[in-house]
Amino acid sequence: AQSVTQPDIHITVSEGASLELRCNYSYGATPYLFWYVQSPGQGLQLLLKYFSGDTLVQGIKGFEAEFKRSQSSFNLRKPSVHWSDAAEYFCAVGPFGNEKLTFGTGTRLTIIP
Amino acid sequence: KAGVTQTPRYLIKTRGQQVTLSCSPISGHRSVSWYQQTPGQGLQFLFEYFSETQRNKGNFPGRFSGRQFSNSRSEMNVSTLELGDSALYLCASRDGGALGGLAKNIQYFGAGTRLSVL
Repeated sequence: AQSVTQPDIHITVSEGASLELRCNYSYGATPYLFWYVQSPGQGLQLLLKYFSGDTLVQGIKGFEAEFKRSQSSFNLRKPSVHWSDAAEYFCAVGPFGNEKLTFGTGTRLTIIP
Repeated sequence: KAGVTQTPRYLIKTRGQQVTLSCSPISGHRSVSWYQQTPGQGLQFLFEYFSETQRNKGNFPGRFSGRQFSNSRSEMNVSTLELGDSALYLCASRDGGALGGLAKNIQYFGAGTRLSVL
């Protein structure tokens, strides 16, 4: 069965500092991986996706993620966070058609001035 | 293009009642998936509809059902509500077609319907 693990429930970083959110997945076939962000009271917004090819993918809002097959990881990074990045971040894995995503439990990001 | 629209945004019901939630997908999208989000269980897949047919179903009791109309709009129904059904229900749409590759199969989410069962 497929699964996604986000080991960090809550992370606090200072504005302007770098950020890395961890994601590990378990999937029997070629994984299609996603990072979504959810602001309070809102739905999910897609930050970036990995299907194949270059293992370093760029997304919106200055985020990037690196796919490492050997480590079954898809960590999200940002070189310098902004107060507006405070939100909850979800890693997800899906099948070819992406009709059914399996999500991690999320990482809540707090930004301090 | 307008995004995924879910109505209503908030609902309060009592145990034993039933509820219907609505989702209008992005224009041209033929697939609609539903998810339940709770603090305890996180985001869980409920079911997916494509061209008015349910193609995938998650591990939820039969009290949870859905349908899709010819214009791709979808409704989700929960009967005999229980306290544990209190959650944010999210709808996601995607093109769903085989042509156009994987990029056309990204799921775009609505803002959700917050259901509170008292």
